[in-house]
Amino acid sequence: DGGITQSPKYLFRKEGQNVTLSCEQNLNHDAMYWYRQDPGQGLRLIYYSQIVNDFQKGDIAEGYSVSREKKESFPLTVTSAQKNPTAFYLCASSITDRVNSPLHFGNGTRLTVT
Amino acid sequence: DQQVKQNSPSLSVQEGRISILNCDYTNSMFDYFLWYKKYPAEGPTFLISISSIKDKNEDGRFTVFLNKSAKHLSLHIVPSQPGDSAVYFCAAKFAGGGADGLTFGKGTHLIIQP
Repeated sequence: DGGITQSPKYLFRKEGQNVTLSCEQNLNHDAMYWYRQDPGQGLRLIYYSQIVNDFQKGDIAEGYSVSREKKESFPLTVTSAQKNPTAFYLCASSITDRVNSPLHFGNGTRLTVT
Repeated sequence: DQQVKQNSPSLSVQEGRISILNCDYTNSMFDYFLWYKKYPAEGPTFLISISSIKDKNEDGRFTVFLNKSAKHLSLHIVPSQPGDSAVYFCAAKFAGGGADGLTFGKGTHLIIQP
């Protein structure tokens, strides 16, 4: 079955620690994305990557970093510089050579920083 | 400034009746609109979309209507079923933009009552 796998589902960290969220897809999609969802809020784009070894900042990239060394993997690091890291993080992917292809989402990682 | 607005945080509808979820947008450059459905602790799943060259798109029990002059779209679900209880996000993108250009509303929590 093709899909997007995010791990872990729940993650707890102490303030001041960096943490990396995993995202793997076997859909053979070129583009991958990280979104953040806060209670009562829409999805906000953190970073996206249209191709391996290239990525772009989204609307709220400060305090986050990503890498795209393989087509199927797009890990997100939440650094200690992120002021409000506790949130629900969603990874997504899409086909880039088809106009208006929808995003496919993983099931998310809920990060709690105390 | 929110460009995609879902003004009803929640909506309660009786099973079997019609559910109407509304979405307003402010940017006339948006030309493609999508609806996503999200269950708790899961990622959103794509539901239905509409291009600005159309005013209606139908898929089974789901119909999306677009009123460009009013910058308004709505999702109709007929008949409503218990499994439709979820949060529904409206999203919009610009002409020629990739998924990085998706702007999401804050979502409407639809509750289907037996």
